Amino acid sequence: AQSVTQPDIHITVSEGASLELRCNYSYGATPYLFWYVQSPGQGLQLLLKYFSGDTLVQGIKGFEAEFKRSQSSFNLRKPSVHWSDAAEYFCALLGGDSSYKLIFGSGTRLLVRP
Amino acid sequence: EAGVAQSPRYKIIEKRQSVAFWCNPISGHATLYWYQQILGQGPKLLIQFQNNGVVDDSQLPKDRFSAERLKGVDSTLKIQPAKLEDSAVYLCASSLPGFGHNYEQYFGPGTRLTVT
Repeated sequence: AQSVTQPDIHITVSEGASLELRCNYSYGATPYLFWYVQSPGQGLQLLLKYFSGDTLVQGIKGFEAEFKRSQSSFNLRKPSVHWSDAAEYFCALLGGDSSYKLIFGSGTRLLVRP
Repeated sequence: EAGVAQSPRYKIIEKRQSVAFWCNPISGHATLYWYQQILGQGPKLLIQFQNNGVVDDSQLPKDRFSAERLKGVDSTLKIQPAKLEDSAVYLCASSLPGFGHNYEQYFGPGTRLTVT
């Protein structure tokens, strides 16, 4: 079955601290993977994506993610969190049977302490 | 470049009433998606259009939900009659066709539906 798991419902970090959000996927082939961010009342904004090639992917707003096939993971990282990073983060897999579609995890809500 | 537009932004209805949502995708985007995002969950695809044809509607509750994209541009999603469990944010997204390295779905701000 094709699925995405985000084990952490909430994460709280202090401003300036580093961040890692976990994402695990289940897919039978090489996955296309995405991280989106959703601020309150907003739609989803793409942070970064992995299609192939270099397993360390750089995105917008200082985020990066590393694809690890052996662990079926695509964790999102940021070295120093800003208060404006407080939002909900979704990992997604491009999967499907008859057509390709984004399969989302349940999200991780990031809270930032001043 | 204008983004994906959706209206209304908020809607409150009573159960068994009907409701319609509108989406205008980014110009030139042939593929349009409707997602349902229930509170505390990730978005779930309801229906995917390629131009004005349906590509995937396997998760659309067809007894009460319908969607159309008559001219291959804007789209409407309708619920009739609504149930309490339809309370959610309905997101519209669009993309260029194909799945190359530039593939990306662009999301609108969503419509928050509350069914009472």
